[in-house]
Amino acid sequence: SAVISQKPSRDICQRGTSLTIQCQVDSQVTMMFWYRQQPGQSLTLIATANQGSEATYESGFVIDKFPISRPNLTFSTLTVSNMSPEDSSIYLCSVLNSYEQYFGPGTRLTVT
Amino acid sequence: TQLLEQSPQFLSIQEGENLTVYCNSSSVFSSLQWYRQEPGEGPVLLVTVVTGGEVKKLKRLTFQFGDARKDSSLHITAAQPGDTGLYLCAGANGGYSTLTFGKGTMLLVSP
Repeated sequence: SAVISQKPSRDICQRGTSLTIQCQVDSQVTMMFWYRQQPGQSLTLIATANQGSEATYESGFVIDKFPISRPNLTFSTLTVSNMSPEDSSIYLCSVLNSYEQYFGPGTRLTVT
Repeated sequence: TQLLEQSPQFLSIQEGENLTVYCNSSSVFSSLQWYRQEPGEGPVLLVTVVTGGEVKKLKRLTFQFGDARKDSSLHITAAQPGDTGLYLCAGANGGYSTLTFGKGTMLLVSP
């Protein structure tokens, strides 16, 4: 398994600002993922972040809006840029370890 | 595009009842994972099934992977309020592939 922490756990932000979410893992992992979960909904994959390469974004998500950093094998950040109320959601970091995927506790973002 | 359909979407039962949640697809998956997510938390992995026809038991929870690896079920015996949460199934194709998630089943167990 893997123990994953995220910061902040929640935040309330104003429209037009940006927020950077941090994800820390207790072991080295190759593949990390960022998901979005809107209220009452399932998980939608934003991007896959592998160390040493550019993040791979899913359809509907772009680097300018959701820039991702992956400086080493235990850490990643996701920035939500130029936020609007539609970005209000839970953002989840996830890692692949031994063919199984584990999730952080999530960051609950509210944009006003 | 691979899709996973979960049913029911919402289930409200009394403590002590049994229930089954289904996860179906027209596509074949190499493995399927079940998660439980409680309010304010991230999903927690319950089990991974990889072999067609496989049955795994985790205390009062029984997971089954269909013979054709297109569907799965989760059966809970004598449900307890602590079982309340969102149950998500997710399919993978290959060890390092991304997961396809179902929309989830929201379970509410009342005392």
